[in-house]
Amino acid sequence: EPEVTQTPSHQVTQMGQEVILRCVPISNHLYFYWYRQILGQKVEFLVSFYNNEISEKSEIFDDQFSVERPDGSNFTLKIRSTKLEDSAMYFCASNKGWNQPQHFGDGTRLSIL
Amino acid sequence: EDQVTQSPEALRLQEGESSSLNCSYTVSGLRGLFWYRQDPGKGPEFLFTLYSAGEEKEKERLKATLTKKESFLHITAPKPEDSATYLCAVQDLNRDDKIIFGKGTRLHILP
Repeated sequence: EPEVTQTPSHQVTQMGQEVILRCVPISNHLYFYWYRQILGQKVEFLVSFYNNEISEKSEIFDDQFSVERPDGSNFTLKIRSTKLEDSAMYFCASNKGWNQPQHFGDGTRLSIL
Repeated sequence: EDQVTQSPEALRLQEGESSSLNCSYTVSGLRGLFWYRQDPGKGPEFLFTLYSAGEEKEKERLKATLTKKESFLHITAPKPEDSATYLCAVQDLNRDDKIIFGKGTRLHILP
């Protein structure tokens, strides 16, 4: 069964450094998402992406964050200058249509030192 | 503001002991309600989508039901491998792409 894959599984970065999290969504999916989950808290929406542009973003997704689909298969989340509070699990998800279930990857655990 | 509340926070059952998990939601209009299973260190795994009150979906020992204000995930004769966190999420009718998650119910099935 096709799945969403995310790399790396764990990323450790110094505060203030840039980090790029990578995702390969399911191949025939058209909508792409990033969510995060701080330890012990809810899964929170960050951003959705369709037709090569952001379709919706949350208050968390400020100017430090950006997303890109650099080619036909990858979907990336960049955090420009990381803060301690960015430490979390980051999940990528994708679906065929905006009203279809979203399928999630296993996440990247981001640790900011 | 859209909200999802799940109860209980945690539940321990003996193998074979059936029970139900609750998800109460508040949205301006419901496009869909989703149930996911999350194992430790993994991403949410899709289980069911429910679209309208009265709808039911089943998969093995799990059955999800939906009313206008809440959804239940019924677990019949659970096994230890059903131990996981079960997440409920809703999508609002105003064409938002995002889904809003509850905090989940941590289910532990004792052999």
